[in-house]
Amino acid sequence: GEDVEQSLFLSVREGDSSVINCTYTDSSSTYLYWYKQEPGAGLQLLTYIFSNMDMKQDQRLTVLLNKKDKHLSLRIADTQTGDSAIYFCAEIPRAGNKLTFGGGTRVLVKP
Amino acid sequence: SAVISQKPSRDICQRGTSLTIQCQVDSQVTMMFWYRQQPGQSLTLIATANQGSEATYESGFVIDKFPISRPNLTFSTLTVSNMSPEDSSIYLCSVDEAGEHEQFFGPGTRLTVL
Repeated sequence: GEDVEQSLFLSVREGDSSVINCTYTDSSSTYLYWYKQEPGAGLQLLTYIFSNMDMKQDQRLTVLLNKKDKHLSLRIADTQTGDSAIYFCAEIPRAGNKLTFGGGTRVLVKP
Repeated sequence: SAVISQKPSRDICQRGTSLTIQCQVDSQVTMMFWYRQQPGQSLTLIATANQGSEATYESGFVIDKFPISRPNLTFSTLTVSNMSPEDSSIYLCSVDEAGEHEQFFGPGTRLTVL
């Protein structure tokens, strides 16, 4: 079955770059996603990447996909205190639309 | 993107009772899903709500415990039946607009069972 793994915690200083990593096991994954969850809130879709791409950039966000190693990362440039949240990676397999989520990475931005 | 609302936003319920959670979307969507997020955990898919037919449940979830309705393309309900403290979670609905490959989530319903 599908399995998505993330590190639990990341601490970063305001203004630095953050890199959140994710590994997955399903080689048939078609789309891979990054969601943000602030305290007490629902999930916000940040960005996603199709499996035939290796990079996608959207303002301060850069997604890198290494399909060979089944490794996905999200880089946040110039991290701000408002970026403090839990970040979930998720994937959808080829034949379906059901999201499988990682455990989430709690990012703490220190002033 | 679709705007999704859920009611109630939170509730505190007694053991043995049931709670129905509503999910309303501002546009017609093909797919609607219900997820559970237990305290400090990630999200787990409960079921896919199918319009006009029975929901499709994931392993570990059954219709008797989590009955789901989907009367039209903009609305769905999830009932948490015969609740126990282990049902304390955030319940989120999500929608997938056809062909968009983007799944958006409602704000969630925070349920506490005493």
